[in-house]
Amino acid sequence: AQKITQTQPGMFVQEKEAVTLDCTYDTSDPSYGLFWYKQPSSGEMIFLIYQGSYDQQNATEGRYSLNFQKARKSANLVISASQLGDSAMYFCAMRTQGGSEKLVFGKGTKLTVNP
Amino acid sequence: DTAVSQTPKYLVTQMGNDKSIKCEQNLGHDTMYWYKQDSKKFLKIMFSYNNKELIINETVPNRFSPKSPDKAHLNLHINSLELGDSAVYFCASSQGIVQMTDTQYFGPGTRLTVL
Repeated sequence: AQKITQTQPGMFVQEKEAVTLDCTYDTSDPSYGLFWYKQPSSGEMIFLIYQGSYDQQNATEGRYSLNFQKARKSANLVISASQLGDSAMYFCAMRTQGGSEKLVFGKGTKLTVNP
Repeated sequence: DTAVSQTPKYLVTQMGNDKSIKCEQNLGHDTMYWYKQDSKKFLKIMFSYNNKELIINETVPNRFSPKSPDKAHLNLHINSLELGDSAVYFCASSQGIVQMTDTQYFGPGTRLTVL
């Protein structure tokens, strides 16, 4: 069974500092993809970054990077130089080769950026 | 030039009514999805269509019936609405179902409130 665990219900960070949002996953499938989405208070789901299980390097997209530790089954999102607009819910999700096309989501982490 | 659009954005209705939510994507994608986000923000797949064919039906009550008239549209019809159906419903689309990297792009969501 596929499972995503986000253990931090809420996180706080000062503006301009970096923050790490944790995500661990469970799957026996060797081929999988990990996704992070942002959901601001306005409600839309915004795709941030993707990491494939066979990717040799950690994914990066602007201020977002993924700390992918395959042996530990973790895919933590790092946001550098936090901005007030980063305040939102962040969801980690996984798709596996054997899990069809669906994304399995974690429960999310609410990030608050303080001025 | 909205990529994935949903109507309506808000839907308030009485128990027992029948309602529909419409979804359209202009990304040229082959695969579309419906997800439900409950009051605790947990997101779960409901249905997926690929080239107008149903490929995922995730043990959703048969009061929910998706319809895909063409690849660009996936509508959700709900019969005999119950209080527990209150949630935010997200439509999403992706290029296809083969590549693990096929990112799912979400619509703005429809907040359904059943009174």
